[in-house]
Amino acid sequence: DGGITQSPKYLFRKEGQNVTLSCEQNLNHDAMYWYRQDPGQGLRLIYYSQIVNDFQKGDIAEGYSVSREKKESFPLTVTSAQKNPTAFYLCASSIPARDLSPNYGYTFGSGTRLTVV
Amino acid sequence: AQSVTQLDSQVPVFEEAPVELRCNYSSSVSVYLFWYVQYPNQGLQLLLKYLSGSTLVKGINGFEAEFNKSQTSFHLRKPSVHISDTAEYFCAVSDGAGGTSYGKLTFGQGTILTVHP
Repeated sequence: DGGITQSPKYLFRKEGQNVTLSCEQNLNHDAMYWYRQDPGQGLRLIYYSQIVNDFQKGDIAEGYSVSREKKESFPLTVTSAQKNPTAFYLCASSIPARDLSPNYGYTFGSGTRLTVV
Repeated sequence: AQSVTQLDSQVPVFEEAPVELRCNYSSSVSVYLFWYVQYPNQGLQLLLKYLSGSTLVKGINGFEAEFNKSQTSFHLRKPSVHISDTAEYFCAVSDGAGGTSYGKLTFGQGTILTVHP
């Protein structure tokens, strides 16, 4: 079955350490997204990529970095510059809305919970 | 720019009672609308979506929503809830309806539905 795989499910980070969250999809979707979820704040967009080797900052990109070397993969690195990284991180993918397909919509992974220790 | 307001942060109901979760949006362009459900420590699952056509949309688990363009609303309803419907529900809007973009999804703050026996 097609879907999005996020790993690990739980991740612990020490102060000053960079960590990388994995996101892999086998849906053949062009676009991929990273969201951060905090209680009572909904989902906030960190970065998104519409095509391989290209990505754009979302609303809260500071302290994060991404790469898109393959269509299937969109890893997120939480750097030491991110002062409050404890959160639930969600990866998603989609086909372009401009395709006017009835299949348009975001598919989400199961998330990674990051905790600073 | 677009925004989504979910009017209730928490909605408690008794089992077998009807429920309505309210969602209003603002956007300067035509939109697509979505409702997602999230169970604890899981990703988001699509409940239903409005892309075009009938403004009354039926989704999974007996949920339905009505798109009201004049009131810029997309309220979610279920005539009789079950304990298993206890979860957090997110309304989202995409700016992709114009057919020229990939479509950026903006989420509301979420509504926690708690179903009591």
